[in-house]
Amino acid sequence: SQQGEEDPQALSIQEGENATMNCSYKTSINNLQWYRQNSGRGLVHLILIRSNEREKHSGRLRVTLDTSKKSSSLLITASRAADTASYFCATARDQKVTFGTGTKLQVIP
Amino acid sequence: GAVVSQHPSRVICKSGTSVKIECRSLDFQATTMFWYRQFPKQSLMLMATSNEGSKATYEQGVEKDKFLINHASLTLSTLTVTSAHPEDSSFYICSAEGGLAGGTYEQYFGPGTRLTVT
Repeated sequence: SQQGEEDPQALSIQEGENATMNCSYKTSINNLQWYRQNSGRGLVHLILIRSNEREKHSGRLRVTLDTSKKSSSLLITASRAADTASYFCATARDQKVTFGTGTKLQVIP
Repeated sequence: GAVVSQHPSRVICKSGTSVKIECRSLDFQATTMFWYRQFPKQSLMLMATSNEGSKATYEQGVEKDKFLINHASLTLSTLTVTSAHPEDSSFYICSAEGGLAGGTYEQYFGPGTRLTVT
């Protein structure tokens, strides 16, 4: 069964607003990654956070990880229309990477 | 660094034919590569793990005789969809595992191959 569950499944916001997506998982992990995928295209790696890290930043992205709650969040600040895409979390344990169900983000200009 | 390519990016084939998809790690050696499948509007599902020089390990429900995986070198793995049917139409994505400083390993994903079986 799939490891990660994401919520919301879909999110629609106005340009300039912040977008927050959450990911929950079931077992211990080595790291957690967030990916972005435009419709019909490949994956774009956004950020990796290791199990001993709690927060990471990259540009307008902020990722948190709470291993006690087995959850992670991705915050996109000051969203742009170009951020419209599907976002997936992926948990890694040993060699195995398992993807979450994804959040479809729409940023309205 | 850590670039993974896939070829072709898009392929259309007729039902009953076989299609080969290549996955290459361009600037690193990957002893392990992974193949994923993504159906429309769904997440990626791991199909198989491929180790260089040995047989692939398939996930439950994935037919090994239908999805042939060959990992002949440290930079190339191939997935052959044999006797393709329309229900095999999907987006196939590979990833390659590379070592980093400190002894950790991370997976790097290819851009994907869209297979359409008519």
